Amino acid sequence: QSALTQPASVSGSPGQSITISCTGTSRDVESYHLVSWYQQHPGKAPKLIIYEVTNRPSGVSNRFSASKSGNTASLTISGLQAEDEADYYCCSYAGRSWVFGGGTKLAVL
Amino acid sequence: QVQVVQSGAEVKKPGASVKVSCKASGYTFIDYYIHWVRQAPGQGLEWLGWINPNSSRANSLEKFQGRVTLTRDTSISTVFLEVTRLRSDDTAIYYCARDDSASGSSLEFWGQGTLVSVSS
Repeated sequence: QSALTQPASVSGSPGQSITISCTGTSRDVESYHLVSWYQQHPGKAPKLIIYEVTNRPSGVSNRFSASKSGNTASLTISGLQAEDEADYYCCSYAGRSWVFGGGTKLAVL
Repeated sequence: QVQVVQSGAEVKKPGASVKVSCKASGYTFIDYYIHWVRQAPGQGLEWLGWINPNSSRANSLEKFQGRVTLTRDTSISTVFLEVTRLRSDDTAIYYCARDDSASGSSLEFWGQGTLVSVSS
């Protein structure tokens, strides 16, 4: 199946908020409450920051929040910090398989 | 604490096979699915497949079926990814990741990654 659609890049200044969208189809994002988000710093393994659309794992900052409407999921990072500069990926269950978004590079200017 | 530790880097020639291992610890091995994901140089994440360590049932992306095999050995709490008929575009970091639920939810605990380089 095709990758979920994310913007290639977003940017923001320290303290601002940004939102990253993740658009899928009726076969994945729209049909399942199993959207997750991952943060990846250069040279590191991805880190889970949101699971099941809106939930944060223990230890993840509450500056990260997420939602879903129809076939589009969204990740919002508030109070941007320099350490948030990273690649972000969404992922959705697609019935017997999983699909990632193409990734979004976040620049904190 | 939960840990998943992968085997070391591999260099292979086109047409060869590679088998990457992923050893889990810190939890009951058979209780959680394990996923495999790869990342080509400078590219995004690509889900390859997952295995239920309890039943050994596995599923992989259709594009990889016939070339990718997922297995497990419960006696050593380890899952394996084998890729056959390697091509240069299989060059990537291969990650295993434990799911955060018993039924499939998200990829919670990631291995450190295994670089597989395919070159003549």
